[in-house]
Amino acid sequence: AAGVIQSPRHLIKEKRETATLKCYPIPRHDTVYWYQQGPGQDPQFLISFYEKMQSDKGSIPDRFSAQQFSDYHSELNMSSLELGDSALYFCASSVSSGSEQFFGPGTRLTVL
Amino acid sequence: AQSVTQLGSHVSVSEGALVLLRCNYSSSVPPYLFWYVQYPNQGLQLLLKYTTGATLVKGINGFEAEFKKSETSFHLTKPSAHMSDAAEYFCAVSVGSGSRLTFGEGTQLTVNP
Repeated sequence: AAGVIQSPRHLIKEKRETATLKCYPIPRHDTVYWYQQGPGQDPQFLISFYEKMQSDKGSIPDRFSAQQFSDYHSELNMSSLELGDSALYFCASSVSSGSEQFFGPGTRLTVL
Repeated sequence: AQSVTQLGSHVSVSEGALVLLRCNYSSSVPPYLFWYVQYPNQGLQLLLKYTTGATLVKGINGFEAEFKKSETSFHLTKPSAHMSDAAEYFCAVSVGSGSRLTFGEGTQLTVNP
């Protein structure tokens, strides 16, 4: 069965640089979620989209932005990177009528 | 608002012993409850979920959990631990379909031979 695809899997950036993370949801899933998991921490909700519109917003820094495109894939754009942004970033997808979120393998971002 | 508390950041059991991972939740509306497992450097895999109906839910790999509203708990159990069960386990809550997940801080399960 198709799963959530995230790219890249690993990313190394310098402070103050920008990064773009991509997420391709499971086919026919209309809702995408982004979570951030710091080292040794639980995943924290950042933002979600339903049918290409932002549906919920969590603890996402103003330096970050995200969108969902017409093909339902989503991108998380991160600017002015800080050391504290180093984390595992997960994308999850679901159907709007379903309770279960399916997680991708994550993108590990390291900011040096 | 909703929150989750997992009692015990580390749990160690012997192979073949009972696994019990504790989760208590707080929610202003009837919750949806989930248990996820995370292996090192991997994503989150759903073990089981409770939405409505039967309060005892069975999941993959022999795990099950019971929703107890009076105790606001959703503890995860497995009768006999396997070495392959060693991983991080997260309890999570949401308020419904399409809603964000709020995770507990996780419990690292170690299985000793």
